Amino acid sequence: QKEVEQNSGPLSVPEGAIASLNCTYSDRGSQSFFWYRQYSGKSPELIMFIYSNGDKEDGRFTAQLNKASQYVSLLIRDSQPSDSATYLCAAYSGNTPLVFGKGTRLSVIA
Amino acid sequence: DTEVTQTPKHLVMGMTNKKSLKCEQHMGHRAMYWYKQKAKKPPELMFVYSYEKLSINESVPSRFSPECPNSSLLNLHLHALQPEDSALYLCASSQGQWQTQYFGPGTRLLVL
Repeated sequence: QKEVEQNSGPLSVPEGAIASLNCTYSDRGSQSFFWYRQYSGKSPELIMFIYSNGDKEDGRFTAQLNKASQYVSLLIRDSQPSDSATYLCAAYSGNTPLVFGKGTRLSVIA
Repeated sequence: DTEVTQTPKHLVMGMTNKKSLKCEQHMGHRAMYWYKQKAKKPPELMFVYSYEKLSINESVPSRFSPECPNSSLLNLHLHALQPEDSALYLCASSQGQWQTQYFGPGTRLLVL
């Protein structure tokens, strides 16, 4: 069973702090990883994707992948109240459907 | 442009009704997906179309019937639904199957 695990939260951080969202996956064959942001009642919005070990930065967001530890993370710098949402981690493993984690609810406190 | 559109935004239907959800993308993507999402749960895959052919049906009840008339359009026909089918129905597309997926805004369905 291919699984993606996330802490459901809520993760509360003060405005301006760094929010760190973590995700582990069970299938060592997983090849590509995605972070989606989902506001309450809205659809998932792609934030980042990462395929290679290391860091990938896009504005205030940094995705980190460690395949040896089967660990993916998303860092949000200078967190804003508008970042408050559920963050879904997802992984592809070969030719199989995208596996989603259950999501981490982030609350940025002004 | 990574836009996927879905209509309608909201739909209320009785258990004897027949309705359809529509999804459209003009990004040249060749894979399209239907997901169902219940509150506080991740999206749950229902169907995948690749190059306009049904690639995956995740054992979805026959009261849900997908259709892909062309590479830009995906429909989901609904008939004799149950109240437990009430959910957010999401369409997504990707360049190829199992590539980065982009979601539409969803249709909020309520079955009475």
